[in-house]
Amino acid sequence: NAGVTQTPKFQVLKTGQSMTLQCAQDMNHNSMYWYRQDPGMGLRLIYYSASEGTTDKGEVPNGYNVSRLNKREFSLRLESAAPSQTSVYFCASSEGSVTRYEQYFGPGTRLTVT
Amino acid sequence: KNQVEQSPQSLIILEGKNCTLQCNYTVSPFSNLRWYKQDTGRGPVSLTIMTFSENTKSNGRYTATLDADTKQSSLHITASQLSDSASYICVVTPRGGSYIPTFGRGTSLIVHP
Repeated sequence: NAGVTQTPKFQVLKTGQSMTLQCAQDMNHNSMYWYRQDPGMGLRLIYYSASEGTTDKGEVPNGYNVSRLNKREFSLRLESAAPSQTSVYFCASSEGSVTRYEQYFGPGTRLTVT
Repeated sequence: KNQVEQSPQSLIILEGKNCTLQCNYTVSPFSNLRWYKQDTGRGPVSLTIMTFSENTKSNGRYTATLDADTKQSSLHITASQLSDSASYICVVTPRGGSYIPTFGRGTSLIVHP
């Protein structure tokens, strides 16, 4: 099993450009998450999907959109990238609610917006 | 606002020595507290998970303790190895409300030979 995979691994964008970060899991998990990790800060939740067909905002959703394409895939879209969105983005999945189940993280996407 | 504070920010130890990392939190009530290990350039990997009713959990050379009364947790690493060099992150998930986990900033551990 590959676990949680993310593409691309690295990306450089110019301000105003758009892009989609892809995430897939092969563990048949119901819940999926997008986090960002900035230097000197803890991971912060951007959006999550508790189950296929549902999405909810996390702590820092502004400037992002998500799509739960199917049970396996959860994408994160930046419509108009800003330098403040320079960060490392992690996708995660869990069998169910984080109040009961473990989260498994992908390897991350390093995004730089110039 | 829920907070998770970790100390020290960074730590350097010699291979074979023990060390203890600290986590103080304000999240209350909470459903679980987790410790993760994050190698440079990788995603976090779970080490231990404790519910509010547990006070210790071990995973090999890693032992986590929890004092829910003082809202403190610690992660003890025994007989450190070079591969233990990583960032260790404390995460607390609230019980009720948004259920959004609060992540600490992590403790950066370097193990020297």
